Amino acid sequence: ELKVEQNPLFLSMQEGKNYTIYCNYSTTSDRLYWYRQDPGKSLESLFVLLSNGAVKQEGRLMASLDTKARLSTLHITAAVHDLSATYFCAVDRNTDKLIFGTGTRLQVFP
Amino acid sequence: SAVISQKPSRDICQRGTSLTIQCQVDSQVTMMFWYRQQPGQSLTLIATANQGSEATYESGFVIDKFPISRPNLTFSTLTVSNMSPEDSSIYLCSVAEGQETQYFGPGTRLLVL
Repeated sequence: ELKVEQNPLFLSMQEGKNYTIYCNYSTTSDRLYWYRQDPGKSLESLFVLLSNGAVKQEGRLMASLDTKARLSTLHITAAVHDLSATYFCAVDRNTDKLIFGTGTRLQVFP
Repeated sequence: SAVISQKPSRDICQRGTSLTIQCQVDSQVTMMFWYRQQPGQSLTLIATANQGSEATYESGFVIDKFPISRPNLTFSTLTVSNMSPEDSSIYLCSVAEGQETQYFGPGTRLLVL
């Protein structure tokens, strides 16, 4: 059974600081997604990582995928308040069916 | 990217009743899915909505409780039957097409009293 774990579950960070969210999964998959969810809103797609070693960057967020280690990271550079949200990773079971991680609730404070 | 709409956006229902949620996509898509997000939780896949055939349900979800229709490649419905307060959740449809990311609808926020 595919399991997806994220850590930390909750992250409170100061503006301007850097931090990394980790996503581990238990079985082979070559496609990993990162989503953002604001309170009361739906999911916004951030990244889709399709192969081992894939790295994608958008603004202050950078995502990477290591399929051998079954690990993806979402790195936040110089955090700003607008990044406050819940971040989910999700793994594709090779059927377009997504298994979601627990989510990381990020709060950025001045 | 696909644009997805859902109706209703939110509803408050009495226990024992049923609610049908609609999902409309602005283009034809092969794969459509229904997810549930319970309060403060992550998302769980309910089923795959198959066009022209019965939906494929995940473990823990059954057709009698969550009947799904998919009459064409742009539309699907999810019914939450005989509701109880435990069914209070956000219900989201999503679509996948090729190697692109999966897109999610705005969600339907359901509160069962």
